[in-house]
Amino acid sequence: AQKVTQAQTEISVVEKEDVTLDCVYETRDTTYYLFWYKQPPSGELVFLIRRNSFDEQNEISGRYSWNFQKSTSSFNFTITASQVVDSAVYFCALSEAVQGAQKLVFGQGTRLTINP
Amino acid sequence: KAGVTQTPRYLIKTRGQQVTLSCSPISGHRSVSWYQQTPGQGLQFLFEYFSETQRNKGNFPGRFSGRQFSNSRSEMNVSTLELGDSALYLCASSFTEIGEQYFGPGTRLTVT
Repeated sequence: AQKVTQAQTEISVVEKEDVTLDCVYETRDTTYYLFWYKQPPSGELVFLIRRNSFDEQNEISGRYSWNFQKSTSSFNFTITASQVVDSAVYFCALSEAVQGAQKLVFGQGTRLTINP
Repeated sequence: KAGVTQTPRYLIKTRGQQVTLSCSPISGHRSVSWYQQTPGQGLQFLFEYFSETQRNKGNFPGRFSGRQFSNSRSEMNVSTLELGDSALYLCASSFTEIGEQYFGPGTRLTVT
C-alpha cells in the first residue's frame, strides 16, 4: 500500500537558518513519482518538484534542494538560508504508475515557521 | 497563462442539501483531479478525469460524484451533505495523464 510519512509536524527556525523537511514513503510499485508542494495561508498548493523513481539524482533550485534516496525510501527537502516568505505548510506526496499517476497520496504535512 | 480556477471560493450549505463545485483547468490541460482537505484526514484523493472519462476514484461514498466536459472543465457534486463534508476542496489539472499537477485555490465548503 502507498504511504507517505512526514514525521515533523511543526518546525520553527530563525531566518537565514537552513532547514530540512523529512519525507519517508512506502510503495510496492517500481515505477512511482514523488512530489513536494507548498501550501501558504491562502490555501493553494504550489508545485515545487516531481521526481520519478528512476531518477535518483539530487536537485537544486535556488535555495531549495531535494535529496532522493531509494535505499532509505526518503525524499527530503532542504531550504538553505530560510526566509520569512518560506513560512507555509509543506506536503510530500507519492503516486504510483499502477494506481494511476494522478492519484497523489499525501503526507500529513510539515508546518514551517520562519521567524525574523 | 491563467492558472486553475475554482468557483465558488466559499460556500455555506445546510445538512441534507447538495452542492456543485466547478473547476476550470489550465488551458490545454486535459486531466483534472479533485482532492478533499480536512484537518483530521489531511489531503485525500477524490477522483480524476481525463478526456471526459473518470480514470480513478478514491475511497469516498457514492454521494461524491463528478464529471468532465469536452472543454476539460470539471464539476464535482456532493449530495445529501453531512457536517463531515466541511472541507477545502482542491482541483488540480495536468497536461497529460502522467504529468505534474497544478492546483487551484480551492473551494471552502462549510456545512451547518
